[in-house]
Amino acid sequence: GAGVSQSPSNKVTEKGKDVELRCDPISGHTALYWYRQRLGQGLEFLIYFQGNSAPDKSGLPSDRFSAERTGESVSTLTIQRTQQEDSAVYLCASSFGDDRGRNYGYTFGSGTRLTVV
Amino acid sequence: GNSVTQMEGPVTLSEEAFLTINCTYTATGYPSLFWYVQYPGEGLQLLLKATKADDKGSNKGFEATYRKETTSFHLEKGSVQVSDSAVYFCALRGGATNKLIFGTGTLLAVQP
Repeated sequence: GAGVSQSPSNKVTEKGKDVELRCDPISGHTALYWYRQRLGQGLEFLIYFQGNSAPDKSGLPSDRFSAERTGESVSTLTIQRTQQEDSAVYLCASSFGDDRGRNYGYTFGSGTRLTVV
Repeated sequence: GNSVTQMEGPVTLSEEAFLTINCTYTATGYPSLFWYVQYPGEGLQLLLKATKADDKGSNKGFEATYRKETTSFHLEKGSVQVSDSAVYFCALRGGATNKLIFGTGTLLAVQP
């Protein structure tokens, strides 16, 4: 597609439920990133996929958070047993990148607004 | 580790006023520096970037100069417009990783 697509755009869930957030990157972009933006705060890095390399999971806040990506396509971010502090906008970005660490600029999706009640 | 500090908002200006949003960073080596903008209801967009010391990034009348001696990348515009109202994020990318490290964002509100 023309841009990075995220779904759903809004999600309200009950505390303790699991949620899955989806990101469709720009076709051909090898790198994919997930960020979290809590109300009034900056963007917090969660996880980074680059091609077939092992993902950089250093930003995941707890073992309730996980993400998968199949090849260079769709990624899903899963949050298990959601808590109220998980409420935030979850942003996905993709870019061209290569194994030498070069990166050619991010394109962000519009985000998924998650509200845990 | 790497970090970015930017001035807190909101910043409220009248149309045609001069804008400065301060950004300083802490990083090892020579990071690349970025300003991203988030207009109401839209996703983050790259506004400008600079990849080495003394580089000046510019776009849409906005400018920022990479100052290694002061570890700063302040965003400036000579005459703001109502349409510039948005949240502005300073960010860096450096070291062995491609991930961007963002500041907390600064809300700019321009009044007619």
